[in-house]
Amino acid sequence: EAQVTQNPRYLITVTGKKLTVTCSQNMNHEYMSWYRQDPGLGLRQIYYSMNVEVTDKGDVPEGYKVSRKEKRNFPLILESPSPNQTSLYFCASGPPGLGEQYFGPGTRLTVT
Amino acid sequence: GQQLNQSPQSMFIQEGEDVSMNCTSSSIFNTWLWYKQEPGEGPVLLIALYKAGELTSNGRLTAQFGITRKDSFLNISASIPSDVGIYFCAGRAELYNNNDMRFGAGTRLTVKP
Repeated sequence: EAQVTQNPRYLITVTGKKLTVTCSQNMNHEYMSWYRQDPGLGLRQIYYSMNVEVTDKGDVPEGYKVSRKEKRNFPLILESPSPNQTSLYFCASGPPGLGEQYFGPGTRLTVT
Repeated sequence: GQQLNQSPQSMFIQEGEDVSMNCTSSSIFNTWLWYKQEPGEGPVLLIALYKAGELTSNGRLTAQFGITRKDSFLNISASIPSDVGIYFCAGRAELYNNNDMRFGAGTRLTVKP
């Protein structure tokens, strides 16, 4: 089944404790992206990757890192999480050119 | 970046009614997409539009790419309870640039049986 998977789905952590949210897609898509979703603000892009070893900042990159060592994986790293990073996070992937993106199920992160 | 306004913010309708929502942009777009998000899940692509004036259906859903290229509409006919969710529009100005996509804030649809 073609899909985007994220892990974990739920995470409660404390300020400053490094964490990684994994994202994997099995559709051989070149484009991958991370978004955060907050009430009233919709989806805001954090980072994106056009291909392996090619990443760039989105609209809200502060406090996040990403890497793209393999085509299928695009982990999101929070080196020192803070409470304002409490949010619902989505990974997405898509074929080049069309603009369509396929989303993972989401990771709900709470930072206390 | 481009501003994308989606309306209405929420709708409460009776089962069987038709629904209409729209998105407008401050500049010309070359692609419009419509997504649905159900509670606890990620957005799912419903319809993709690539040409001004294009009208595309997916079951009871119909979306149109506005002639001015600055708007798009989504209609749901004969709504049913499982239509409940948040509907997002997305659009981009640059063709072939995946990363130019912008999302609306969403329309929350509630359907009363």
